[in-house]
Formats: sequence, C-alpha cells, structure tokens
Amino acid sequence: QQQVKQSPQSLIVQKGGISIINCAYENTAFDYFPWYQQFPGKGPALLIAIRPDVSEKKEGRFTISFNKSAKQFSLHIMDSQPGDSATYFCAASMWAGAQKLVFGQGTRLTINP
Amino acid sequence: DTGVSQDPRHKITKRGQNVTFRCDPISEHNRLYWYRQTLGQGPEFLTYFQNEAQLEKSRLLSDRFSAERPKGSFSTLEIQRTEQGDSAMYLCASSLVNQPQHFGDGTRLSIL
Repeated sequence: QQQVKQSPQSLIVQKGGISIINCAYENTAFDYFPWYQQFPGKGPALLIAIRPDVSEKKEGRFTISFNKSAKQFSLHIMDSQPGDSATYFCAASMWAGAQKLVFGQGTRLTINP
Repeated sequence: DTGVSQDPRHKITKRGQNVTFRCDPISEHNRLYWYRQTLGQGPEFLTYFQNEAQLEKSRLLSDRFSAERPKGSFSTLEIQRTEQGDSAMYLCASSLVNQPQHFGDGTRLSIL
C-alpha cells in the first residue's frame, strides 16, 4: 500500500515536444504529490507539487494532472528542451508532506535537439 | 540562503569498516530526513527528525545504522560493520513542518 508506480522507465522526446510521465499510487491516505528532477551527481530538486483538492497545477512549462478517483497523477513538460534531460521522480506523502516521501522508480528523460 | 550540505561527497571504504556521514540542513529547518538511493532507483526513506527527536525509522535501518541530531541542527548517520549492500547514495533533506523537503547532493558510499 506504500508503493508509488511510475512509468515509463525511460522516455525520448524531440525538442519542442511534450513529455508525459505517469504515476499511480495505492494508499488513499496520501495527500501530497511532488515531482522531483535529478541530474547526475546531484540530489533531487523539487519541481512542482499538488494536493488532491485540485485536478491540475501549472508552473511555467510544467503541469501536474491529478485524478483522485483513479489514484493517478502525471507530469507534463511542454515545449521540452535539451536542458530538461534528467531523471524525474514522482513521490507521495501523508500529512501534507510532513512525513516521509515514498518515491516512484524514476523516468530517465532524454530530449533530442 | 545556503542549501542542504552533506559531507563527505564520496566515501570509499573496506567491508567491515565503520563510516559516518554529516548533514547540515537549511538554517531554521526543524525537520531533517535521511534517504538511501541505489543506482536506477528512487530514494528510499530511512529516518527523520523533528528538532532533536527521531520520530520514525524505516525497517531498512538495521541495527548497524544509527542516526543522531544532538542539538536539533546538523545530523550524523553512522553505519557500522559496512557490507557490500550498503553501497548507495545517502541523501539528506530538510524542511519546515508541512513544507516541501529540500535535498542535498548526497554522500556516495562505495564498499570495496
């Protein structure tokens, strides 16, 4: 019940295209869903996060879509750029992020120029 | 505003040795978390503190692992009698209560 499943494992997108990464969770007690971006040799950096009281949140080129009934959420990266090439992790937590984060397995995103 | 700082960045040691890592959180962050990340996987929770109190420990944290945050500021993670399976990136994160967690760049541990 603690798992967060992420897909795809790897993704190649052309520059200017839309990158879409999906996550599914089981524990209905989760109420905070962040996305982190990680470059090689660096720690994860928070990109954007959502609470279940909204179905979508947008920050610049990054959008989270949230489907509470399906227990799924996704990250959309619009106008993908080579600098977006990184590993992306979805995560989930209880108590508005005050507790431990449960991470997905990660998606290695490559943006071809 | 400096970020989360971890030291050392890399540690190479022989199997059976003890190692200690240090994490300095963002100033005034009262929550401090430790995670472990193996190659190609997402970080896995190990333990977390609020101020100096250790509030939760994962089953991953065997009795060879101990973490402390003696004055509610920096934290140390010690691994005794290291094993091959301990090779990983050890990540520290900090936050204010009910605020996002911010990660350091980790300590990469390699066991020979």
